[in-house]
Amino acid sequence: AQKITQTQPGMFVQEKEAVTLDCTYDTSDQSYGLFWYKQPSSGEMIFLIYQGSYDEQNATEGRYSLNFQKARKSANLVISASQLGDSAMYFCAMSLTYNFNKFYFGSGTKLNVKP
Amino acid sequence: DAGITQSPRHKVTETGTPVTLRCHQTENHRYMYWYRQDPGHGLRLIHYSYGVKDTDKGEVSDGYSVSRSKTEDFLLTLESATSSQTSVYFCASTGGSSYNSPLHFGNGTRLTVT
Repeated sequence: AQKITQTQPGMFVQEKEAVTLDCTYDTSDQSYGLFWYKQPSSGEMIFLIYQGSYDEQNATEGRYSLNFQKARKSANLVISASQLGDSAMYFCAMSLTYNFNKFYFGSGTKLNVKP
Repeated sequence: DAGITQSPRHKVTETGTPVTLRCHQTENHRYMYWYRQDPGHGLRLIHYSYGVKDTDKGEVSDGYSVSRSKTEDFLLTLESATSSQTSVYFCASTGGSSYNSPLHFGNGTRLTVT
């Protein structure tokens, strides 16, 4: 069975500091994608960053980077220089290329950025 | 960003009544999905579609059915609503079959079953 685990229900970080949100995944498929989404209090789901299972370099998008460790099956999100607007729920997700592109989500991490 | 519209945005209904949620996308995406979001559970897949009239069950499909008669529309039906189906429902779509195609989401439907 496919599974995504986010072990940090809630986290605090000081403004301007970096923070790492943990995500581990479990799949026997060789081809998959790993995604992070942000859900602010307004409720919409915002795509942040993507990492493919065959990508050798860690993905980066502005202040977001994905620390991909394939052997450990982890895909942690790193947010550098946290801003107050980063306060939100963050979801890790995995898509399976050869299984109708089904996406599986973790339970989320609530990040609070303190001024 | 993909244009995905969900309707209604909010609905209150009584136990035992049928409810249909609608999802409309304007990006000609092949794949469409219905998720429910509950505290502590993240998003759980209810049903998905990989083409017109091609649908299948997700991990929490009991009590739900779907239909996709056109590429752009994906309907979720609760045949007889129960209080356990009180949730926020998200529709999502993606166009490619490659693994780097992100999901694009609608804004959600908040359903309350009393």
